[in-house]
Order: sequence, then C-alpha cells, then structure tokens
Amino acid sequence: SQQGEEDPQALSIQEGENATMNCSYKTSINNLQWYRQNSGRGLVHLILIRSNEREKHSGRLRVTLDTSKKSSSLLITASRAADTASYFCATDARTGGFKTIFGAGTRLFVKA
Amino acid sequence: DGGITQSPKYLFRKEGQNVTLSCEQNLNHDAMYWYRQDPGQGLRLIYYSQIVNDFQKGDIAEGYSVSREKKESFPLTVTSAQKNPTAFYLCATDRGPNTEAFFGQGTRLTVV
Repeated sequence: SQQGEEDPQALSIQEGENATMNCSYKTSINNLQWYRQNSGRGLVHLILIRSNEREKHSGRLRVTLDTSKKSSSLLITASRAADTASYFCATDARTGGFKTIFGAGTRLFVKA
Repeated sequence: DGGITQSPKYLFRKEGQNVTLSCEQNLNHDAMYWYRQDPGQGLRLIYYSQIVNDFQKGDIAEGYSVSREKKESFPLTVTSAQKNPTAFYLCATDRGPNTEAFFGQGTRLTVV
C-alpha cells in the first residue's frame, strides 16, 4: 500500500550546494526514518526522527518533521559527489510493527 | 550491510522453476523483512517476521513463500506462481519497532 512519497523525483546540483528533499505520508507515525541507496546496493540508514521531535541533525544532514502537515524534509549541506544516491523515507506502522518504505525515492546527482 | 548476508548476488531462473534466496544475519535481531524493488521504483514489502516460527504477509506476498526456523535465517522462495519475478530483492533486519533497519546488498533475480 502506498503510504507516502518523496519529492522531487530527481535532483541535480553542483558540488558544494545544498540539497533538499521532501517526504509526505498519510497515516499517523511513531517515527520517520531516512535511508540512502547507492545504485544496485542495499539501503543504509541515515537518521531517525521521532514524532515528538521537530528537527534533528547528524553531520551534514538536517531533518525536520511536521506532523501536522504529515511531512518531513532532509537537507544535505555542502554536498559532495559521493552523496549521489537515491534517498528514501520510511516509518514503522503503528500496528503490526513492520517498516514501510515510501515511494520511489529522490534520486540525487551531485556534479563535481 | 552490517552483518546481513544475501546470496547469491545474481540469480537466473527458468520459467516454471522455484528458486530460493538466502538471507542470513549475525546481528541477533528479532525482525527480518523481504522487499522487492523494480527499476526506478521504491521498495515493496513481501513478507516479514518478528519472531522465530512466525511470519506475516506484506503487500505483495502472492507467488512467494518464506520460513523462519532459525533467528539468523529468513529464506525467500520465489515460486512459479510469481508471474513477473525479475527484480532486485532486499532483505533487512531490525531490533524491533522504532529502530533503524539494516539491509543486505541484495539479490538480482532474472527470469531467462
């Protein structure tokens, strides 16, 4: 079932610029997670923000969460060519305890 | 990939054959998941298991089967009933709700 989606679908920026991608979801959540996927590889967890948090930082990553709008954003500052990947958001279902990975992700391309 | 081993990396299946994808973890995590990813698409949940000898269907379980006889292992069988099995399959684990997921490196299955 489609629980939400990321936008934009694709983003191309120059090295050093900031990249912002967004995630919208449809149901109540306990937390929201962001993952990164390099082409042909598994996903790697980046950051988890709980529903009672509004902002969280990890290195060059900044995540915000607006539960009233059912949306989250991921900001990557001072991007590098190595940040080129697809980025997905995900959450745990309130019942059943399984993880739902949203949408087709945002494909970020950072040009050197 | 943090202690999750998926094998094989590439798998070719003839029409009408069943094939089994292996997922082994040494993280001592209770929950294990199988996702399917089609080109340029997001991840769809096939099956998940929160405890040994128990598993639940995800969104696209038809044509697939799983077992969870050991905590460390969650094999996925793609049966001949799965009409379009060509895809990238990802196994994941976590410690439970509201925790990060760890992913294997995936198995790319192609029907020949």
